[in-house]
Amino acid sequence: DAGVTQSPTHLIKTRGQHVTLRCSPISGHKSVSWYQQVLGQGPQFIFQYYEKEERGRGNFPDRFSARQFPNYSSELNVNALLLGDSALYLCASSLMTYEQYFGPGTRLTVT
Amino acid sequence: DQQVKQNSPSLSVQEGRISILNCDYTNSMFDYFLWYKKYPAEGPTFLISISSIKDKNEDGRFTVFLNKSAKHLSLHIVPSQPGDSAVYFCAATGSGNTGKLIFGQGTTLQVKP
Repeated sequence: DAGVTQSPTHLIKTRGQHVTLRCSPISGHKSVSWYQQVLGQGPQFIFQYYEKEERGRGNFPDRFSARQFPNYSSELNVNALLLGDSALYLCASSLMTYEQYFGPGTRLTVT
Repeated sequence: DQQVKQNSPSLSVQEGRISILNCDYTNSMFDYFLWYKKYPAEGPTFLISISSIKDKNEDGRFTVFLNKSAKHLSLHIVPSQPGDSAVYFCAATGSGNTGKLIFGQGTTLQVKP
C-alpha cells in the first residue's frame, strides 16, 4: 500500500513569495496533520484537518493556512515567506488514532 | 516551553549491546506516548507507543517503559544493530487529541559494528 506522499520534494523560494505544499494521505485515512521541522529540533505541529474541517492549530502566524479536499488530500499554504520559514514540512495521516504516519516531507528553502 | 525533552543529543553503542534512549515530559495531561525513528531525507517512522495506563510495552527488539510519577519514559533496543542508527524522537499527546503530537528534540543513535 502507498504511504503518505508529499510534493514537491524540494522547493526554493524568495522572501515575500507564497508557497503551496501538497499531501496525499494513506488510503482510508481521513485525518491529516502538518508539522514544521527546523534543523536540530523535533517536528512542531501546525494544523490538523479531519473531514475537511480544521481540528487543531499550533502556534503559527496567520500567514500559514491549510485545507483538506473531499478526497482527504491536503494543501499547506504559506504567504509572505520569511527566511525563518526554511524548514522540512511534514505531513502525517491517521485513522483518528494517536499513531500518525508521516510522509517524506518537503524541504523548503527561503532565500 | 519545551513540554517534551530529550536531554541527550547523541548516543553511541556497540552492535549487540542495549541502547537506552530517554525522554522527560512536563504536562501531566499527556496520556499517550510514541517513539519515532528518522533517517536522513525520510519522514519519521512510527516505532512503538504506550498508553499511560501501562508501564511497559514491548514489540520485538523495542521496549518502551513509562514512569508516570517521574514523568519519564525510555526506549530500550536490544540487541542494537547498525541499521538502528538514526535520530529517535519521543512524542506525546493526550486528552483525545489524536491529531497533535508534541515532539522532543531528538537523540541521534549511532550503533557501531
